[in-house]
Amino acid sequence: QVQLVESGGGLVQPGRSLRLSCAASGFIFSNYAMHWVRQAPGKGLEWVAAASYDGADKYYTDSVKGRFTISRDNSKNSVSLQMNSLTFADTAVYYCVTYGVSVAGLDHWGQGNLVTVSS
Amino acid sequence: DIQMTQSPSSVSASVGDRVTITCRASQDISNWLAWYQQKPGKAPKLLIYATFSLQSGVPSRFSGSGSGTDFTLTISNLQPEDFATYYCQQANSFPLTFGGGTKVEIK
Repeated sequence: QVQLVESGGGLVQPGRSLRLSCAASGFIFSNYAMHWVRQAPGKGLEWVAAASYDGADKYYTDSVKGRFTISRDNSKNSVSLQMNSLTFADTAVYYCVTYGVSVAGLDHWGQGNLVTVSS
Repeated sequence: DIQMTQSPSSVSASVGDRVTITCRASQDISNWLAWYQQKPGKAPKLLIYATFSLQSGVPSRFSGSGSGTDFTLTISNLQPEDFATYYCQQANSFPLTFGGGTKVEIK
């Protein structure tokens, strides 16, 4: 079965950096796009970034462009989100998500990893 | 960017009721619309993709309809386990965008 295990979250000061990682298993990782979706405390879902199956194409929501970088290592079945210049607004649970492994949607989600930006 | 407007933001209903949630896209997204269910403290779960298609294991009391800019999620015969928050999401173009969510509460 598909498993996505995120790591790397925690407490960080404004302006600092943090790197989230997601280890994937249970499917042919190199065949599928990977996404990050976040959810601020008590708020709705916000799509953050995506990388194509080979990492050649990357997409970001406007609020993180120039600060966040998504990358993937198909040899290690992993995807990462490098987050720089963090602000209070980046505080959220971050989910690693697959697209299209089973069906045409964000079909498998990790357990979520809390990032708290606070001074 | 495509804006997704979901309504209502909350609804109170009883077990056995029929609940309808609507989602409007700011531009034509064909049938690239998905619905997710989220329970407190849990990751979202894909319910419906491509407007109509039920994800495997999702009960048939959930159904989706619509096209273009207007979409609907209907829950027939509401069950206790259906009390949750529901989100629509467009997959027509990047950036992917979600509706604001609809919380289905117990009346």
